[in-house]
Amino acid sequence: EAGVTQSPRYAVLQEGQAVSFWCDPISGHDTLYWYQQPRDQGPQLLVYFRDEAVIDNSQLPSDRFSAVRPKGTNSTLKIQSAKQGDTATYLCASRDRGREQYFGPGTRLTVL
Amino acid sequence: GQQVQQSPASLVLQEGENAELQCNFSSTATQLQWFYQSPGGSLVSLLSNPSGTKHTGRLTSTTVTKERRSSLHISSSQTTDSGTYLCAIDRNSGTYQRFGTGTKLQVVP
Repeated sequence: EAGVTQSPRYAVLQEGQAVSFWCDPISGHDTLYWYQQPRDQGPQLLVYFRDEAVIDNSQLPSDRFSAVRPKGTNSTLKIQSAKQGDTATYLCASRDRGREQYFGPGTRLTVL
Repeated sequence: GQQVQQSPASLVLQEGENAELQCNFSSTATQLQWFYQSPGGSLVSLLSNPSGTKHTGRLTSTTVTKERRSSLHISSSQTTDSGTYLCAIDRNSGTYQRFGTGTKLQVVP
């Protein structure tokens, strides 16, 4: 069974540029998470979906960040007008009905 | 405040020594998971242990739910065990996980 896949693996931007991250969860997992992990810190939730519905996006900086999961499978996280403070690894994870969570390899973002 | 606290923040061991990592959480937890993260790597699930004791290989996790704490014991450490160990809890089943800041383990030959 394939794991969670993410792309790109790395991104380097100038401040003010936009970027999109893509995630393909494990087949059949109903719940998909996006986490932000700054250097030397634990992951922090940005948003999560159950099927195509947003369950919690309260920690998503809504003025610049957006996330969608239109068919309840793949998901895209977009940052408009990136800032240096957005430098972090962005992790996608999926889960089947409250069981163990599985993470993708992450996208390491550097904003110059 | 931080809902999940891990200690120690860092640890250096000689190869062959045992390690004891602690995780304390300030709210009830319906799920607790230990992860390993290599430098620059993704998170790999080690154990899911909401209560009691679980073993896998050289790893043993003991969670005492009513005391809101969990431990991860690594026996006979190897240099390949070096990395960061993260503890994460669910406050309600099927929601999202809250992570500690991790214990950075270095095992030297």
